[in-house]
Amino acid sequence: GQQLNQSPQSMFIQEGEDVSMNCTSSSIFNTWLWYKQEPGEGPVLLIALYKAGELTSNGRLTAQFGITRKDSFLNISASIPSDVGIYFCAGAQGGSEKLVFGKGMKLTVNP
Amino acid sequence: DARVTQTPRHKVTEMGQEVTMRCQPILGHNTVFWYRQTMMQGLELLAYFRNRAPLDDSGMPKDRFSAEMPDATLATLKIQPSEPRDSAVYFCASGSTAPITEAFFGQGTRLTVV
Repeated sequence: GQQLNQSPQSMFIQEGEDVSMNCTSSSIFNTWLWYKQEPGEGPVLLIALYKAGELTSNGRLTAQFGITRKDSFLNISASIPSDVGIYFCAGAQGGSEKLVFGKGMKLTVNP
Repeated sequence: DARVTQTPRHKVTEMGQEVTMRCQPILGHNTVFWYRQTMMQGLELLAYFRNRAPLDDSGMPKDRFSAEMPDATLATLKIQPSEPRDSAVYFCASGSTAPITEAFFGQGTRLTVV
């Protein structure tokens, strides 16, 4: 089936630093979503992208839908300790409502 | 505060036993998804419903898993008989018609089959 390659798999950063992560696929996706999951909780939707080239912000988070429609990027600026968690990308192809998830990027923020 | 509610939060059962997980979608949402999360496979879609009708259950092992929506406020996922390899966190998510891919997740049921 379709796979989303998410990188890096983990990051350790200092509070205040910016962090970038990306998600790539060999197939075209029409929707890209970014979720954050904290321990013992379900994934929480952060940003949804529906158009190639779209750049969307949500507070300190900015995500972009790649022009080729095969990738997406998420940036977090001025990280804070509560940014800790696992960030997942997810995509849907064509008219499908079925999301394919990446394996996640575990973020650790040192105060 | 609208949220998807899943019960139980944790379940430990012996191999061979039946397991039923329940989900109350967000009021007004007409689409319900069941996902399974494991360390090895990550998040996998098992099945999903629209207006209580099953649309796709291709991700679900048919011989032992079944999913139903007895009414608009309840979705169930059953495993019978359960096996150790079913140990995982099972998430229910719900969404409204558009944009449907913006699914809202519950807190999950952590299942351990011993």
